[in-house]
Amino acid sequence: QKEVEQDPGPLSVPEGAIVSLNCTYSNSAFQYFMWYRQYSRKGPELLMYTYSSGNKEDGRFTAQVDKSSKYISLFIRDSQPSDSATYLCAILNTGGFKTIFGAGTRLFVKA
Amino acid sequence: EAQVTQNPRYLITVTGKKLTVTCSQNMNHEYMSWYRQDPGLGLRQIYYSMNVEVTDKGDVPEGYKVSRKEKRNFPLILESPSPNQTSLYFCASSLSNAAKNIQYFGAGTRLSVL
Repeated sequence: QKEVEQDPGPLSVPEGAIVSLNCTYSNSAFQYFMWYRQYSRKGPELLMYTYSSGNKEDGRFTAQVDKSSKYISLFIRDSQPSDSATYLCAILNTGGFKTIFGAGTRLFVKA
Repeated sequence: EAQVTQNPRYLITVTGKKLTVTCSQNMNHEYMSWYRQDPGLGLRQIYYSMNVEVTDKGDVPEGYKVSRKEKRNFPLILESPSPNQTSLYFCASSLSNAAKNIQYFGAGTRLSVL
């Protein structure tokens, strides 16, 4: 079983839709959860970072962690064509020495 | 401008011909890392370095070498490339690898081994 599972998509939505991106993880000891955004032909860039369960909001983006279910989510409100990218969830392992990435979900937002 | 610079961006080579992909960062970061990205597998760590002269294996180190002689540079060396090393490679750096430290990624090197 992979340590982090993420549906690769692709996910196609109309402009203005609410997007939900999700990952599951296997190790309940993980504590730090991140979302990276990767545009085509570019390296990943950190979008949001959360610690422990709960929600964290940044503009149109909300990151949610449910430790009891080992489930993390990224919600994008009022999605824009410029949000079209691959979104990777990532988890920092216990001890903080290794980042484990999901496979990435490719998102297309149609104008 | 803070950045991680990889060269070359694209490389086509043949099996067995040694190559080096360079990585340089201008942020005085201690921690640097190399990843490969393959469809359906995401980013997998090849090697990382906690500081000068300190390197360690990641998840997929076979067939790769690294060195960290200076803080800013972290080259990836393929002594005898094989077709299964055809991939998209990323170098990343951060102040340290503790939580809250953002990893900055280079733009990537697309390698094809024929």
